[in-house]
Amino acid sequence: DIVMTQSPDSLAVSLGERATINCKSSQSVFHSSNNFNYLAWYQQKPGQPPKLLIYWASTRESGVPDRFSGSGSGTDFTLTISSLQAEDVAVYHCQQYFGIPAFGPGTKVEIK
Amino acid sequence: QVQLQESGPGLVKPSETLSLTCTVSGGSISTYYWSWIRQPPGKGLEWIGYIFSNGRTNYNPSLRSRVTISEDTADNQFSLRLSSLTAADTAVYYCARGVAGTLFDHWGRGTLVTVSS
Repeated sequence: DIVMTQSPDSLAVSLGERATINCKSSQSVFHSSNNFNYLAWYQQKPGQPPKLLIYWASTRESGVPDRFSGSGSGTDFTLTISSLQAEDVAVYHCQQYFGIPAFGPGTKVEIK
Repeated sequence: QVQLQESGPGLVKPSETLSLTCTVSGGSISTYYWSWIRQPPGKGLEWIGYIFSNGRTNYNPSLRSRVTISEDTADNQFSLRLSSLTAADTAVYYCARGVAGTLFDHWGRGTLVTVSS
């Protein structure tokens, strides 16, 4: 099974500053048949279900602000919020959908 | 716009079987993959399993011996049964739509299930 880890566990960023979250998979989630990384990012606010932000490692879901971006390939991935807004306070989860789907433990983003 | 709504008991006794239903509106369950996912309080997300295409299923190996997912296409619903419950099964249970299999683009609001005597 592919195990997902994230770092840091939490981070506090000033409004307007950059937030960077890292995600690592225990095996590559890159599929050579289609050149896609089977990696997604979700945002979860308190009391709400997760919301899909990014899929195929770097494709933004419709309606997601362009301050959110995803990068990486193989086993190492990054979610970047270029200019943190108050409404971005949430827990962010990465997820691989290459094999049996698995989520990272989450990274809590707060305002400094 | 696709919407999903979970329903079922909020409290179940240890050793009993949990039954939850997800009602889908705004789209047919005859297309896409339909999953159950759970999240223990304060913890991460765990995929339980999915159903797709005329009742075919796939389960998380860690839960396979205790899980059954079924569908009712007439009512556009799918259901979860999880047996031999323990306190470790206490969680918010979500139903979700999967595109490309297990990429989840629509989620229900979730229902908290507590396992306690």
